[in-house]
Amino acid sequence: SQQGEEDPQALSIQEGENATMNCSYKTSINNLQWYRQNSGRGLVHLILIRSNEREKHSGRLRVTLDTSKKSSSLLITASRAADTASYFCATDLNAGGTSYGKLTFGQGTILTVHP
Amino acid sequence: DGGITQSPKYLFRKEGQNVTLSCEQNLNHDAMYWYRQDPGQGLRLIYYSQIVNDFQKGDIAEGYSVSREKKESFPLTVTSAQKNPTAFYLCASSIWPASSYEQYFGPGTRLTVT
Repeated sequence: SQQGEEDPQALSIQEGENATMNCSYKTSINNLQWYRQNSGRGLVHLILIRSNEREKHSGRLRVTLDTSKKSSSLLITASRAADTASYFCATDLNAGGTSYGKLTFGQGTILTVHP
Repeated sequence: DGGITQSPKYLFRKEGQNVTLSCEQNLNHDAMYWYRQDPGQGLRLIYYSQIVNDFQKGDIAEGYSVSREKKESFPLTVTSAQKNPTAFYLCASSIWPASSYEQYFGPGTRLTVT
């Protein structure tokens, strides 16, 4: 089945630096979503970007989508220690223009921000 | 407060026993989902339900069963047929379809089978 793959698997930075995570997928999608998970907790939705959008912002988060390359990136600017978490991209399958209405998650990027 | 609750947070069972994980939501969402997460891995879809009294298998449904008798409840039973049940289980809900709307997640249940 189609799956998003995040890169890198782990990222370690200092507070104040920017963090960039990438997600690649294999087939056409309707939308792509990014989620955050603190250790041992449930996931929290960050941003949804539709297939006809190229960029979206939310606070310190910037998401881009390149459907020609089947990839997306999540940029966190001016990172804080509290941003330490795992970040997942999730995609849905566009089959003949319709959606199955379910998401496929990648394996995630573990971000560590050192104070 | 609106949200999703899962209970218990930790669950221990002996091999060969069935176990039921609870998931309740008061967000008035039609759709509910069960995922399994293994260490260092992403989420894999077990079952999902678009509406009451209807549900579909996800990618890894073997050894699991669900019911959706009420809009707010979507319990998951891990049967003895599930070969490797030890994992972190997450329940979520959303407006249907999930691809167009964010999913709201519960805090998860960590199941250990020995």
